[in-house]
Amino acid sequence: SAVISQKPSRDICQRGTSLTIQCQVDSQVTMMFWYRQQPGQSLTLIATANQGSEATYESGFVIDKFPISRPNLTFSTLTVSNMSPEDSSIYLCSFRGWGDTEAFFGQGTRLTVV
Amino acid sequence: GIQVEQSPPDLILQEGANSTLRCNFSDSVNNLQWFHQNPWGQLINLFYIPSGTKQNGRLSATTVATERYSLLYISSSQTTDSGVYFCAVTGGTSYGKLTFGQGTILTVHP
Repeated sequence: SAVISQKPSRDICQRGTSLTIQCQVDSQVTMMFWYRQQPGQSLTLIATANQGSEATYESGFVIDKFPISRPNLTFSTLTVSNMSPEDSSIYLCSFRGWGDTEAFFGQGTRLTVV
Repeated sequence: GIQVEQSPPDLILQEGANSTLRCNFSDSVNNLQWFHQNPWGQLINLFYIPSGTKQNGRLSATTVATERYSLLYISSSQTTDSGVYFCAVTGGTSYGKLTFGQGTILTVHP
């Protein structure tokens, strides 16, 4: 299977600032996703990253807060904007190959906002 | 959307014990996966099992799609098995998007 690299692995940020998380896959994949895991909770889908067009956001998530880019089939970024302590979470990127097949996840970014 | 329920929410075992984790889902699924989340937050793929039975070492899984449940078996548990186990599915109109259960927190004591 493809190898997925996510960075940074962790960061501590000041409130009001923004952080961009990068996700790189070593081969072309069709679908890429971004998930959030708040402390003690399960994973929730933020959005589907669409290659060359605007991401598709799930209910409760908006582009102004979580802008996403996907310039090609192997790379995507998620920005957490104007951060507050409530944004402290683990953020994970995920990809699938062709079809609705097995999903794989990056190593995750543990974000703490102070 | 599809609902995923996992049980039990917490499980405490002594090393060497066996356990069964359950995942119920509310609708037909295209894909079902089991993950183990380690203490560093990384999700490790255990099984991709939309139906049938698979085994990998001390772990095995069975999905009965017609009855809308899946089971994860852990035999001869080890302390390194500790962590959170998630079941996640895709189904209906949520093509490719995983819906996660709330997880089972497993603690294995030496």
